[in-house]
Amino acid sequence: GQQVMQIPQYQHVQEGEDFTTYCNSSTTLSNIQWYKQRPGGHPVFLIQLVKSGEVKKQKRLTFQFGEAKKNSSLHITATQTTDVGTYFCAPSGKLIFGQGTTLQVKP
Amino acid sequence: EPEVTQTPSHQVTQMGQEVILRCVPISNHLYFYWYRQILGQKVEFLVSFYNNEISEKSEIFDDQFSVERPDGSNFTLKIRSTKLEDSAMYFCASSEKNRNTEAFFGQGTRLTVV
Repeated sequence: GQQVMQIPQYQHVQEGEDFTTYCNSSTTLSNIQWYKQRPGGHPVFLIQLVKSGEVKKQKRLTFQFGEAKKNSSLHITATQTTDVGTYFCAPSGKLIFGQGTTLQVKP
Repeated sequence: EPEVTQTPSHQVTQMGQEVILRCVPISNHLYFYWYRQILGQKVEFLVSFYNNEISEKSEIFDDQFSVERPDGSNFTLKIRSTKLEDSAMYFCASSEKNRNTEAFFGQGTRLTVV
């Protein structure tokens, strides 16, 4: 089935630094979704990417879908303490999450 | 704003007992999911449900687990004979369709097996 791998598993950054997490699949994906889970919270939908090479922005967050639709990335510019949490990617449909990237931000 | 609700928020049960975790998905949603998250670990897919039947299930979802939509509004997860390793947060989610729409998650039920 469609499984995705995320790297890195953990990332500690100083507030104000940038952060990127990568989501990779061995098979071509129809589309991909990103979710964020705050500590002690539940996953919350961030975005869905559908088209090859698609780039979407939400304020300081930039999401990309690779040309081959086998990988995706989430980049956060100038991290803030509110960005703390675990970021998951999942192919739409089955919604089987990758292992996530946990972001810690030092103030 | 519509939301997925889960009850109870915390359940403590003795090993070997049966538990039923309850979820009320968003009313016009057609796809339902259960996930579990052991403390400090990733969110693991258990099962997806559509049109009154299971559409996908993971290796975790063995014969001890079952799901049901008994009355058109509730979506339940039953664990027949709980083990210590079933202790986890269990999340229910629902989506309007299975593709191209977001899934909404409930707040979760924390299951503690003692």
